[in-house]
Amino acid sequence: KQEVTQIPAALSVPEGENLVLNCSFTDSAIYNLQWFRQDPGKGLTSLLLIQSSQREQTSGRLNASLDKSSGRSTLYIAASQPGDSATYLCAAKSYNTDKLIFGTGTRLQVFP
Amino acid sequence: DTGVSQNPRHKITKRGQNVTFRCDPISEHNRLYWYRQTLGQGPEFLTYFQNEAQLEKSRLLSDRFSAERPKGSFSTLEIQRTEQGDSAMYLCASSLKGLGEQYFGPGTRLTVT
Repeated sequence: KQEVTQIPAALSVPEGENLVLNCSFTDSAIYNLQWFRQDPGKGLTSLLLIQSSQREQTSGRLNASLDKSSGRSTLYIAASQPGDSATYLCAAKSYNTDKLIFGTGTRLQVFP
Repeated sequence: DTGVSQNPRHKITKRGQNVTFRCDPISEHNRLYWYRQTLGQGPEFLTYFQNEAQLEKSRLLSDRFSAERPKGSFSTLEIQRTEQGDSAMYLCASSLKGLGEQYFGPGTRLTVT
């Protein structure tokens, strides 16, 4: 059974810092892993999707990596801005199902 | 290209009442998913459809919950005899194909008093 955990649960940093959010999964036989952003009371916005055959994906200031052997993914945010403040969720999809298994998220606050 | 839409956005109901939510996926997306999210938690899978067919249901989906996608386009999620524990955000997502990237709607926040 796939389980996904995210550390830390909350993070507060000053504007301009580079930061790393961590995501761990128990079943290395994943098909892909997706990172989302969620603003308070809102739905989820897809940020990056990494297929199992890929090592990383980049979009603007965001870079996500995937290491299946260690059961880890990281989301790197460069030069953080107050507008990056939100909850970041990772979700894993296994081969035998089309459902996403989510972590509990990292709540990020970037202060000016 | 409009995104996934959900209606209503908010619903307040009294315990014991029935409620129905609607989800309109991105056009041409043949897969549609329902998730539930409680405060401080990640979303939990409820069920998903490929066109009209309901392919998988979570054990979270008790007998009081039913989902349909009658014409393979929009979907409805009905909760009968609501309980306070049903209070949550109900999220809908769609994807173009199986195992593809899922795109989420804004959610319907249900409060059961």
